[in-house]
Amino acid sequence: ETGVTQSPTHLIKTRGQQVTLRCSSQSGHNTVSWYQQALGQGPQFIFQYYREEENGRGNFPPRFSGLQFPNYSSELNVNALELDDSALYLCASSPTDRPNYGYTFGSGTRLTVV
Amino acid sequence: AQSVTQLGSHVSVSEGALVLLRCNYSSSVPPYLFWYVQYPNQGLQLLLKYTTGATLVKGINGFEAEFKKSETSFHLTKPSAHMSDAAEYFCAVSEFGAAGNKLTFGGGTRVLVKP
Repeated sequence: ETGVTQSPTHLIKTRGQQVTLRCSSQSGHNTVSWYQQALGQGPQFIFQYYREEENGRGNFPPRFSGLQFPNYSSELNVNALELDDSALYLCASSPTDRPNYGYTFGSGTRLTVV
Repeated sequence: AQSVTQLGSHVSVSEGALVLLRCNYSSSVPPYLFWYVQYPNQGLQLLLKYTTGATLVKGINGFEAEFKKSETSFHLTKPSAHMSDAAEYFCAVSEFGAAGNKLTFGGGTRVLVKP
């Protein structure tokens, strides 16, 4: 059973640019969530996708957007990058959108905005 | 909105000593509670979770946690620390509602294990 894989592992972008992060969910998982973890802090919920539909969003601006594909893999897109977007971006998958199951997390993409 | 507070951003323990990490939550409904561990430059790994039933939950690597509704707490313990336990630990509560099935995390507690 493969886990959650994310790509790339590290990325450096310039302020104002756009970035796409990718996530392959664990086999059999139809729910994907994205989290932003700033240095020294706990992860913050960005949004969740369930069966290709966004079904929840945290307190992030619209320049953070996403997609989920028929194979349940997912992308996180961030437009007009700001310095404060520098963080570890974590993808997590679950076999259900119910809250009691928990998530399997990937190792993350470290984004640095300069 | 639910919230999680982890007391102590850093904890230092001697190898073989008790590990105790504190977590308090706020919730207006019965919570689902989780502990995750994060090793350097890695993602989060689930240690244990409480959903329903027995309030003492056993997890991986010898960790356990007890759900105390009256104290709104879910403290994590391990009787004897090992060098490999050095990592950051996050308590989280699951919230299902308009914002989707999201986890709300505490700020984390970094554990240092001294030989």
